[in-house]
Amino acid sequence: DQQVKQNSPSLSVQEGRISILNCDYTNSMFDYFLWYKKYPAEGPTFLISISSIKDKNEDGRFTVFLNKSAKHLSLHIVPSQPGDSAVYFCAASVRTGTYKYIFGTGTRLKVLA
Amino acid sequence: NAGVTQTPKFQVLKTGQSMTLQCAQDMNHEYMSWYRQDPGMGLRLIHYSVGAGITDQGEVPNGYNVSRSTTEDFPLRLLSAAPSQTSVYFCASRRTDRGNTEAFFGQGTRLTVV
Repeated sequence: DQQVKQNSPSLSVQEGRISILNCDYTNSMFDYFLWYKKYPAEGPTFLISISSIKDKNEDGRFTVFLNKSAKHLSLHIVPSQPGDSAVYFCAASVRTGTYKYIFGTGTRLKVLA
Repeated sequence: NAGVTQTPKFQVLKTGQSMTLQCAQDMNHEYMSWYRQDPGMGLRLIHYSVGAGITDQGEVPNGYNVSRSTTEDFPLRLLSAAPSQTSVYFCASRRTDRGNTEAFFGQGTRLTVV
């Protein structure tokens, strides 16, 4: 039972264009969401997060959008750069209680120069 | 700051052998956790701990044991290695005193069980 789903295993985008990565969740108790980036042979690194009280959070080229009614979040990267090529994981957690994150299966982004 | 340190980086085990994956963090984080990453499966939570002396099971705990005697260390023990435990293992830690915060990950341990 996958509570956090990333239905696109891979995505290719031209340099300079927008990359949109999607994530869906099923558990309505999730109220904090994060995106992580992972390069080969490295650990995941935190990118950006959003609380359920917001519907948008921006950090430089990265914006996360949250649609609670649809149980959907997306990560927008504008403009995309070759260095953004990596695997992106979304994660969700419940604000109180166990503090544990549930991760999606990841989307491999390739930015073409 | 070293952050989260995992050792070893690589390990090959024979079926039935036991071993301990080490994880240490120097950020005084209360929460620590272990994940495994497998192709097409993402990161799955094995065990986690919200403080010294407190541990709990995640999504895939079978075949693994943990303990948390100090805030800094959270070792993961494989009791009797099986080929299905071939994976990349990541340790993560985060603070919990300010509500939801991001977790910091180690570099990973690539384990092969033959």
